Amino acid sequence: TQLLEQSPQFLSIQEGENLTVYCNSSSVFSSLQWYRQEPGEGPVLLVTVVTGGEVKKLKRLTFQFGDARKDSSLHITAAQPGDTGLYLCAGPTSGTYKYIFGTGTRLKVLA
Amino acid sequence: SQTIHQWPATLVQPVGSPLSLECTVEGTSNPNLYWYRQAAGRGLQLLFYSVGIGQISSEVPQNLSASRPQDRQFILSSKKLLLSDSGFYLCAWRAGGKHGYTFGSGTRLTVV
Repeated sequence: TQLLEQSPQFLSIQEGENLTVYCNSSSVFSSLQWYRQEPGEGPVLLVTVVTGGEVKKLKRLTFQFGDARKDSSLHITAAQPGDTGLYLCAGPTSGTYKYIFGTGTRLKVLA
Repeated sequence: SQTIHQWPATLVQPVGSPLSLECTVEGTSNPNLYWYRQAAGRGLQLLFYSVGIGQISSEVPQNLSASRPQDRQFILSSKKLLLSDSGFYLCAWRAGGKHGYTFGSGTRLTVV
């Protein structure tokens, strides 16, 4: 069974600090996605990484896919209160139409 | 552009009552459709998915069911709700061959 474990589970930081969130699995994924979810709303897709070792940047957010395609990280530079939310990684299960989601990292950025 | 609509936004239902949540997608055809449930502040659990009209795959045995009567319509139902059915229900769609989902705004269901 493919699983995605995220760490840390909770993170509370001051505005301006940097942080990294991790998404790990013992299984290989053909791609991984990162989503951000705000309370009472559906998750919003931030990025998809496909190639091992790939790095994508979205303003202050940097996403990396591990060389073996078993893990991914999200790094936020100079966090802002607007970055607050639940960050979820997700990936397609082998040979199916299904995507599994990670356990989530709840980030709170204090002004 | 493609849009996804999910309703109602909130719902309070007594134990034993029926449930019907509806999700529709606009601006695309033959989407893959999904129902997820989310426990408070946690990850998403896949309940059902559909790759075409009348085609439903169930992931979790429970008292919920799903139907896809039209290409862009996905319905989540129950004949008798349990307290454990409370949660945040999310509908999502994905174009075949594409990465990632587009989610609806969710339904907060409280069974009392």
